[in-house]
Amino acid sequence: KAGVTQTPRYLIKTRGQQVTLSCSPISGHRSVSWYQQTPGQGLQFLFEYFSETQRNKGNFPGRFSGRQFSNSRSEMNVSTLELGDSALYLCASSTGTSGRAGEQFFGPGTRLTVL
Amino acid sequence: AQSVTQPDIHITVSEGASLELRCNYSYGATPYLFWYVQSPGQGLQLLLKYFSGDTLVQGIKGFEAEFKRSQSSFNLRKPSVHWSDAAEYFCAVVIFGNEKLTFGTGTRLTIIP
Repeated sequence: KAGVTQTPRYLIKTRGQQVTLSCSPISGHRSVSWYQQTPGQGLQFLFEYFSETQRNKGNFPGRFSGRQFSNSRSEMNVSTLELGDSALYLCASSTGTSGRAGEQFFGPGTRLTVL
Repeated sequence: AQSVTQPDIHITVSEGASLELRCNYSYGATPYLFWYVQSPGQGLQLLLKYFSGDTLVQGIKGFEAEFKRSQSSFNLRKPSVHWSDAAEYFCAVVIFGNEKLTFGTGTRLTIIP
């Protein structure tokens, strides 16, 4: 099976712009989660989508949003970028069944730099 | 407050030596427990998991972890480390019914020859 893929791998934006990141989960996985990783804050949960519905949400401002399509592919969007949004954004997929959600398969991440 | 704690930010061990990485959690009920590893420039990979049953669980790459309810701990161990084990290790939990994975702050492992 192909692993989780994320595009693009690297992105450079300026403050105030918006960005869309894409994630393709492992075939058959219905849950996609997004995480932000920074040296200062570590790994922080953004949100999780299961069967096109947001099932869980972390403590991030409304500038961070996401969606999931019928084929389970997911996108996350960050509007009005700030310098502090510079981070590695990781996507992970899982079957999403109760309790098994912790068994996640991660993509390589998208490195976002905001100038 | 509910949390998962990794007390050691950075650990250095010699190649061939044994390893133990600590993880403690603070939740009302026993969560599902996981260890992940992140090699430089890569995503995370699941090493092992604990849901219930036998408190000593085996994972990939020769790692094992022991769940101790009385100490609210889930420490990761390896009898003999290899240079390729140098990476960052994350303990994580999921509370049953809330399918959100919460990570500890991570422990960076350095291997010296």
